[in-house]
Amino acid sequence: QSALTQPASVSGSPGQSITIPCFGTSSDVGSYKLVSWYQQHPGKAPKLMIYEDTKRPSGVSNRFSGSKSGNTASLTISGLQAEDEADYYCSSYASRRVWEFGGGTKLTVL
Amino acid sequence: EGQLVESGGGLVQPGGSLRLSCAASGFAFSRHWMHWVRQAPGKGLVWVSRIINDETGTIYADSVKGRFTISRDNAKNTLYLQMNSLRAEDTALYYCARGGIVANAFDIWGQGTMVTVSS
Repeated sequence: QSALTQPASVSGSPGQSITIPCFGTSSDVGSYKLVSWYQQHPGKAPKLMIYEDTKRPSGVSNRFSGSKSGNTASLTISGLQAEDEADYYCSSYASRRVWEFGGGTKLTVL
Repeated sequence: EGQLVESGGGLVQPGGSLRLSCAASGFAFSRHWMHWVRQAPGKGLVWVSRIINDETGTIYADSVKGRFTISRDNAKNTLYLQMNSLRAEDTALYYCARGGIVANAFDIWGQGTMVTVSS
């Protein structure tokens, strides 16, 4: 049972936009500007896509964006491409001084 | 950009011990907090432990507290995870990850080392 809740799967067609929610609580997502998102392709290490709720690391496509409202963070991918098909994980710092991950969302590009 | 390379994984019996290492290169290792994150086969990411940059200040997930010890040697640019009293549920791919300074997140990851706990 993961501390943060994500849908198990989402799907979209090439060119469309999708949003992956990450549901937390007032002890994690809602308390800190420290939500991050990771992309993981099969057999590969995770890659940082979004940090501090909304910021994008250098080199990450601007098709990826992050947002947050209350205890819910979201990752939006616009202009879906085949290479975006992967697992996506949210993470947040929590009040117990630990870090938490969501259970992961499998993105399928139809 | 930086690189992390884990080693030390393998097959161990329940109750046994293992020491993982993570060699860092290409960045100022001593400036960064470092983390261990694990992923059981077919499952999601789980944060395990963190150590701050001055070799003190450690914290653990409840599931490993009292059994695992994180440490680092800044002179050798190496992070460690001593794992004792291993259980079947500790079976996972163990990643080391760098805590970013500009990006307050896990900004660089190694490729992982597999730990299998089985009799």
